[in-house]
Amino acid sequence: GAGVSQSPSNKVTEKGKDVELRCDPISGHTALYWYRQSLGQGLEFLIYFQGNSAPDKSGLPSDRFSAERTGGSVSTLTIQRTQQEDSAVYLCASSSSGSGNTIYFGEGSWLTVV
Amino acid sequence: AQSVTQPDIHITVSEGASLELRCNYSYGATPYLFWYVQSPGQGLQLLLKYFSGDTLVQGIKGFEAEFKRSQSSFNLRKPSVHWSDAAEYFCAVGALAGGFKTIFGAGTRLFVKA
Repeated sequence: GAGVSQSPSNKVTEKGKDVELRCDPISGHTALYWYRQSLGQGLEFLIYFQGNSAPDKSGLPSDRFSAERTGGSVSTLTIQRTQQEDSAVYLCASSSSGSGNTIYFGEGSWLTVV
Repeated sequence: AQSVTQPDIHITVSEGASLELRCNYSYGATPYLFWYVQSPGQGLQLLLKYFSGDTLVQGIKGFEAEFKRSQSSFNLRKPSVHWSDAAEYFCAVGALAGGFKTIFGAGTRLFVKA
């Protein structure tokens, strides 16, 4: 696609429920990132996929968080048993060496856990 | 692993005054450096980037940044700030390590006073 697409744009969920956030990167981009931005906070790195390599999961805050990337394209970030502190904007980004490794962001998925 | 420090959480400048936002990075090799801006309610937009070559890089909206290897810095500057520049600014460092991973600083919020 023309840009990084994320869905849903907004999600309100009850504490304890599972949520899935989807990211469709720019076509042809081999790298895909998930970041989290809490209110008034910076960008917290969560996970990074590069091609067919094993993902870098070093930023995932707990084992309730997981992500997968199917077919080297679309990615899903799953948060199990959501907690109120999970409320944040979840940003997906993608890049490729062809774009000079510049990362391009989606608009984000606003997650509110009530 | 790379890291980024933005020492100033927030800065206030008068409209028309000059601006410098600080960014220091840690990485063992030559990094790829970026500045992004996030305006209120908006997504992240790339201002400029440094990969190699001239250490003074020009970006959009009249911004520039200078890479100083000896100081491990990549400070963002603008000679005359406009009220519309009020936003959150993020410095980022990318590293070629098993792909290309980009880490962001905590951000600096810029306030512009009339």
